[in-house]
Order: sequence, then structure tokens, then C-alpha cells
Amino acid sequence: DTGVSQNPRHKITKRGQNVTFRCDPISEHNRLYWYRQTLGQGPEFLTYFQNEAQLEKSRLLSDRFSAERPKGSFSTLEIQRTEQGDSAMYLCASSAGETQYFGPGTRLLVL
Amino acid sequence: EDQVTQSPEALRLQEGESSSLNCSYTVSGLRGLFWYRQDPGKGPEFLFTLYSAGEEKEKERLKATLTKKESFLHITAPKPEDSATYLCAVPWGGQNFVFGPGTRLSVLP
Repeated sequence: DTGVSQNPRHKITKRGQNVTFRCDPISEHNRLYWYRQTLGQGPEFLTYFQNEAQLEKSRLLSDRFSAERPKGSFSTLEIQRTEQGDSAMYLCASSAGETQYFGPGTRLLVL
Repeated sequence: EDQVTQSPEALRLQEGESSSLNCSYTVSGLRGLFWYRQDPGKGPEFLFTLYSAGEEKEKERLKATLTKKESFLHITAPKPEDSATYLCAVPWGGQNFVFGPGTRLSVLP
């Protein structure tokens, strides 16, 4: 399978804990995106990387959220001091042009 | 101000009953309008990209069309396996893609 992969697929954590998600994009794609999706809503843009450079971040993105893409390959999204409102599906997508291809997502539940 | 809206919110069809979903956008200088299908618990799956008014794309029972302010996803003779949420998205400045809330389609046998 050469699609976008995400790990873990599910994460349950307690409020206040830190969590980290990983995304492995399609190998030849230099663009990588993170989105958050809550029930009944479309994906909400969080951040965008071109190669290893983080070029865009949503103004709505709390400073508890940080993302990295070392060496322009896989990416990690970390949420510090999780809150119940962080419960959502976190989606990663990659692209070589305008069309984005999504991974299966990581579902986060904060208790 | 809403940038991308979709209607209806939910749609229930009998198998074989054709219909259309709507996506309206307010962005100027459109760089493309994207349609995705999303099954429960999965990531969105790419369907179509449309770039200019009048453009049409087809895939099996689906046809997407684009005007200056909206796009339609026409579903002809749908089958139960077409049941999913259909999302549209537009780039909004740079690489910030804005998605609509989606239309939940149920096709009953």
C-alpha cells in the first residue's frame, strides 16, 4: 500500500496529558497537511508543510499544538496539555500538486 | 462569513433515484474546487477537481459541474454503496483549504 498512513489510529488520553501523532505521506509528495475534523463537520485546516518547512498555520491553532516534518519525510503533530475540546479526528494529507490525498486519520478521545 | 456551504445537509434516496448535491463558495479567484467522498471512520477519498466555470467531470454514477459561484455533484441511478458523506473544498489563500460541512447521502435498497 503506497497511500498516506497515520499512527496510531486511535488514542485515548486523560486531560492534561501530551499526545503525539505520526503521518507518513506518499513518498514522492513534498506537501503535507494536517486537519482536524469533528463529528458532522468538514475537515478544518491546521497547518501545511512544503518539504521540511512549515509554511502555514491556522490562526485558530492553539500554541499547545506543534507540528514538525524533519527531513521533509514523515510528520508529527503534538498536542500538549490536552483538553476535552481536543477530542476529534486528526487527518493528514499529502500532495504533489493541488490534489490532496488523505490518510485514515487518528481518532483522539480526551477523558 | 461562510466560505463554503453545502446543501442539503442530509439526503435519503431510494436506489435508482437520481439527485444533485450543491456546494456554494464565496472565494474569488478560484484555484480549483475539489470533491471528496468520506465513509464513516475513514479519511476523505478524492473524487474530482474542477477549475473553470462550465467544466464537467464524470466517474461512474457521479458527475461534477462548476459555475462561477457553485458546484453540483449529480448522482445518477445511485446504489447503496454510494452512501457516504460528500465534501467539497476550495483553496483559500495559500494552501489553506476550506471544506464545506458535507452532505450525508443515504441510498436505500
